Amino acid sequence: DQQVKQNSPSLSVQEGRISILNCDYTNSMFDYFLWYKKYPAEGPTFLISISSIKDKNEDGRFTVFLNKSAKHLSLHIVPSQPGDSAVYFCAARGGNYQLIWGAGTKLIIKP
Amino acid sequence: DADVTQTPRNRITKTGKRIMLECSQTKGHDRMYWYRQDPGLGLRLIYYSFDVKDINKGEISDGYSVSRQAQAKFSLSLESAIPNQTALYFCATSDPGQRETQYFGPGTRLLVL
Repeated sequence: DQQVKQNSPSLSVQEGRISILNCDYTNSMFDYFLWYKKYPAEGPTFLISISSIKDKNEDGRFTVFLNKSAKHLSLHIVPSQPGDSAVYFCAARGGNYQLIWGAGTKLIIKP
Repeated sequence: DADVTQTPRNRITKTGKRIMLECSQTKGHDRMYWYRQDPGLGLRLIYYSFDVKDINKGEISDGYSVSRQAQAKFSLSLESAIPNQTALYFCATSDPGQRETQYFGPGTRLLVL
C-alpha cells in the first residue's frame, strides 16, 4: 500500500513554460514533505521542502504547495529550463524521521 | 571530491553468493541509510543507523545485514543473493540538525543472476 503516490510517470513541458509535478499521500501524520531531483547515474539531491504547518514554500524558480485537506502537494517550476530534465521524487517524513518515497516523475523539458 | 561515495558502482553476481556494498562519507554526519530502488517504485529503506552503536531495520530488511564500522562507513551485505535483490542501491547520510535532508551517494547497480 503506497502511502506516497506520484501518479504521472512522466511529464513533457516546453522550455520556458511552467512544470507542475503532483504528489498525493494517505497518512495525515506526515509532518514534512520534500522534493528531490535525480539525474541519471547520480543519487537524488534535495530540492525543496515544506512543513505541514505551511501551505507554500518558494525558492527561486521552485515553489511547493501543500493542500492538507486534500493530502496533496505539488511542485511548480517556473520557467522550466533544459537542465530541469530529471526524475523528481516526492517524499514524506513519517515516524522516527524515516522518509516515505513516491515512485518518481520523469520531467522532460523540450527546447 | 564526492561527499558520499559508494563502491562498487556496478556489480554482477550469481544466486547464492555473498556480496558487500560499501559506503563512505566525508560529511561528518552521524546518520546513515541504505535504500533500494526498483523500477516503478520509490526508494525503500533497508537499514538505517543513527550512530555507530545504533542500527535499525527499515521497511525491507529481510535478506540484508549491515555493519557500521565507523562514523564514516556503513556497509550493506547480502548474505546469499537472490535474483529479486537485483536493484539500484543508494546510501545516504543526514545531520540531526537537518533531519529532513538526506545526502545521497551515486548508487550501486546490482544484478543477481
